[in-house]
Amino acid sequence: LAKTTQPISMDSYEGQEVNITCSHNNIATNDYITWYQQFPSQGPRFIIQGYKTKVTNEVASLFIPADRKSSTLSLPRVSLSDTAVYYCLVVARGYQKVTFGIGTKLQVIP
Amino acid sequence: DTEVTQTPKHLVMGMTNKKSLKCEQHMGHRAMYWYKQKAKKPPELMFVYSYEKLSINESVPSRFSPECPNSSLLNLHLHALQPEDSALYLCASSQLEPPTTFFGQGTRLTVV
Repeated sequence: LAKTTQPISMDSYEGQEVNITCSHNNIATNDYITWYQQFPSQGPRFIIQGYKTKVTNEVASLFIPADRKSSTLSLPRVSLSDTAVYYCLVVARGYQKVTFGIGTKLQVIP
Repeated sequence: DTEVTQTPKHLVMGMTNKKSLKCEQHMGHRAMYWYKQKAKKPPELMFVYSYEKLSINESVPSRFSPECPNSSLLNLHLHALQPEDSALYLCASSQLEPPTTFFGQGTRLTVV
């Protein structure tokens, strides 16, 4: 299982773009990169998943460089409701054991 | 539909009680999970079921007993719990390709 490293916390003002970078130096060929958002006392919510290059959905973008040793979650124009913990996970194709790191606590400031 | 439904949302039980947590998904996922999450900590994996068979038990005490009656349902039977078992219990299910896991909203368990 590839270990992930991400900042423990980040602050951002409302309306700004937020980029959270995750390091996963030991990522394997079959691994996908997945990001979750979690609010207190709620289950993690799937945000985005990618294998290589760039993935975009209605919520976020995920940038993955060619060597795949890191990835960046980009949240456009954050609002107060985006205050949450964001987890970066590396999950192998067909593999079931998903292990969470400590996550990044994002605080959006008015 | 990417919904995993957990019941109940809240549960208070005494240390001598027996209770069950329930989880349901209708996404056709053949892997289902139980996680435990303490306050301000990341979720910790407890059990994994694959094709209705227990495939991973992360050395969980026997007072937690999982059951997978069919491919859509997952139960967690609780007996003789301790106050330190109070936590948010999360159920999840996943497809294998791509390996995307979806979580329920959790059951907030308090042991008194």
